[in-house]
Amino acid sequence: GQQLNQSPQSMFIQEGEDVSMNCTSSSIFNTWLWYKQDPGEGPVLLIALYKAGELTSNGRLTAQFGITRKDSFLNISASIPSDVGIYFCAGQRDDKIIFGKGTRLHILP
Amino acid sequence: NAGVTQTPKFQVLKTGQSMTLQCAQDMNHNSMYWYRQDPGMGLRLIYYSASEGTTDKGEVPNGYNVSRLNKREFSLRLESAAPSQTSVYFCASRMGHLVAEAFFGQGTRLTVV
Repeated sequence: GQQLNQSPQSMFIQEGEDVSMNCTSSSIFNTWLWYKQDPGEGPVLLIALYKAGELTSNGRLTAQFGITRKDSFLNISASIPSDVGIYFCAGQRDDKIIFGKGTRLHILP
Repeated sequence: NAGVTQTPKFQVLKTGQSMTLQCAQDMNHNSMYWYRQDPGMGLRLIYYSASEGTTDKGEVPNGYNVSRLNKREFSLRLESAAPSQTSVYFCASRMGHLVAEAFFGQGTRLTVV
């Protein structure tokens, strides 16, 4: 079946550093979404991207929909302790949504 | 604004017991979903209801049944729990089945011993 390859699986960074993660697929998607899951909670939608090439920001978060429609990346600038969690990408085509396996972000004091 | 509410938050079952996980949404969404989340596996779709009155199998439906009770509520039933069903279960809703944005509940952490 369709798969999303999300990388890296986990990251350990210092507070204040910038973070970059991405998702790639062999399939084309119409919409890319990025979610964050805090420990013990459900995923929360951060950013939705609807057009190839689209670059969207939400505070310190920036995400882009790849030109080929097969990839997307998420950047977090100047990380803070509350950025800790698991970040999921998701791609949608027609009625199917496929989730990546997540990037677990750890922030060292 | 509650969004998607799941009950219970935690549950321990013995092998062979049955239970129903409840989910309700107050956003007037048409479509509702049940996922399970296991370490290293991401979110896997168990069953979904694209609209009131319909239900369909997802990626991992075996051992589960669902009921779309009304537009607000979508329950997941384990008839005879097995240790392999130990997982965190999430309910989600979307405005429509062709709409990408999903809103998730807080999850039910289920342990089957």
